[in-house]
Amino acid sequence: GAGVSQSPRYKVAKRGQDVALRCDPISGHVSLFWYQQALGQGPEFLTYFQNEAQLDKSGLPSDRFFAERPEGSVSTLKIQRTQQEDSAVYLCASSLSAGVFNEQYFGPGTRLTVT
Amino acid sequence: DQQVKQNSPSLSVQEGRISILNCDYTNSMFDYFLWYKKYPAEGPTFLISISSIKDKNEDGRFTVFLNKSAKHLSLHIVPSQPGDSAVYFCAAAYYGQNFVFGPGTRLSVLP
Repeated sequence: GAGVSQSPRYKVAKRGQDVALRCDPISGHVSLFWYQQALGQGPEFLTYFQNEAQLDKSGLPSDRFFAERPEGSVSTLKIQRTQQEDSAVYLCASSLSAGVFNEQYFGPGTRLTVT
Repeated sequence: DQQVKQNSPSLSVQEGRISILNCDYTNSMFDYFLWYKKYPAEGPTFLISISSIKDKNEDGRFTVFLNKSAKHLSLHIVPSQPGDSAVYFCAAAYYGQNFVFGPGTRLSVLP
């Protein structure tokens, strides 16, 4: 069956540009997570959705980062006025049930490079 | 301040031998732990979990040990196979909070 997909897989942005990263979770999965993974580090939590409700956005590093999941399925992570420190792999994960203690299925990630 | 540490960035093991990957944590509230495996250009995939009420969980070739007093867990892979070569992440959480991941250990299993 189809797993979590993310697009684009690679994105190069000039500093100051806005970017939008898309995540298609596994169909029927209630929970959706976004993570940021810097080079040589583990994934760091950004935000969590249960259906269309954003229940936790405590990991978003600044107000330039915005995420939405308007119909409880596809999610978009938007970064405004990108900075070089935003360069990272952005991972999306989904899980079948509500809550964070369920197995999360990860997408392949979007590698963002800000020049 | 890293709450989850994997102090070995890399590990090489001969095929057929045991691989032991270590993870230390600082937050005594953590009560659920996971190991994820990641191949290049792919997302992490779940491997095995353990809750704080247990000190061992086994799944085939993979066993996770938890030492709560030492705030330490380890993943044992026996026997190691070349296909096990990947980056392994340890992650920890407690109820109501999101997972905190360690920086990963790159395992190379040599044929």
